[in-house]
Amino acid sequence: AQKITQTQPGMFVQEKEAVTLDCTYDTSDQSYGLFWYKQPSSGEMIFLIYQGSYDEQNATEGRYSLNFQKARKSANLVISASQLGDSAMYFCAMREGRSSASKIIFGSGTRLSIRP
Amino acid sequence: DTEVTQTPKHLVMGMTNKKSLKCEQHMGHRAMYWYKQKAKKPPELMFVYSYEKLSINESVPSRFSPECPNSSLLNLHLHALQPEDSALYLCASSHGTSQFLSYNSPLHFGNGTRLTVT
Repeated sequence: AQKITQTQPGMFVQEKEAVTLDCTYDTSDQSYGLFWYKQPSSGEMIFLIYQGSYDEQNATEGRYSLNFQKARKSANLVISASQLGDSAMYFCAMREGRSSASKIIFGSGTRLSIRP
Repeated sequence: DTEVTQTPKHLVMGMTNKKSLKCEQHMGHRAMYWYKQKAKKPPELMFVYSYEKLSINESVPSRFSPECPNSSLLNLHLHALQPEDSALYLCASSHGTSQFLSYNSPLHFGNGTRLTVT
């Protein structure tokens, strides 16, 4: 069974600072994908970044980067130069297996609050 | 703007009512999902459709009945719900065109339907 762990229920960060959100995962599959989503208080789930199990380089998307350490089974999200609009719930998620409709399961989330 | 559209945005229903949630996507995705999310919790998978066929049912009570009329539409029929079923219901879609590339396909979510059962 797959499992996603986010150990930080909440974080406070000063505006313009970088922040790292932790995520560890557990899977016995060789093929899997790791995703980060942002959920503002309005409720929509916004896809941020993806890392594949076979990708050798860490993924980057604008201010978001993913620190992927495969041997440690961690996929931490790094947000550079945080902004007030980054305040939201952040979920780490994993898709396991090659099925065209395999499950994506989510960690418990980290609530990030940016201080002005 | 989200490319997955869910209606209605809000729904209040009694325990004896029958209602339906609707989801539509025009991205050519062949996998569609229903998730349920309670306050301050992560989304929980309910159903997965692949090529209009139900492929995963996460032991969801029969008072929730999914339907996928075509590759663009996904419905969730609700009947005899309980107050504890009140939650945000999220629809999502993803690419499903290749079994060998599917694990890297993210979910694209709609804005959700906020359901209250009275």
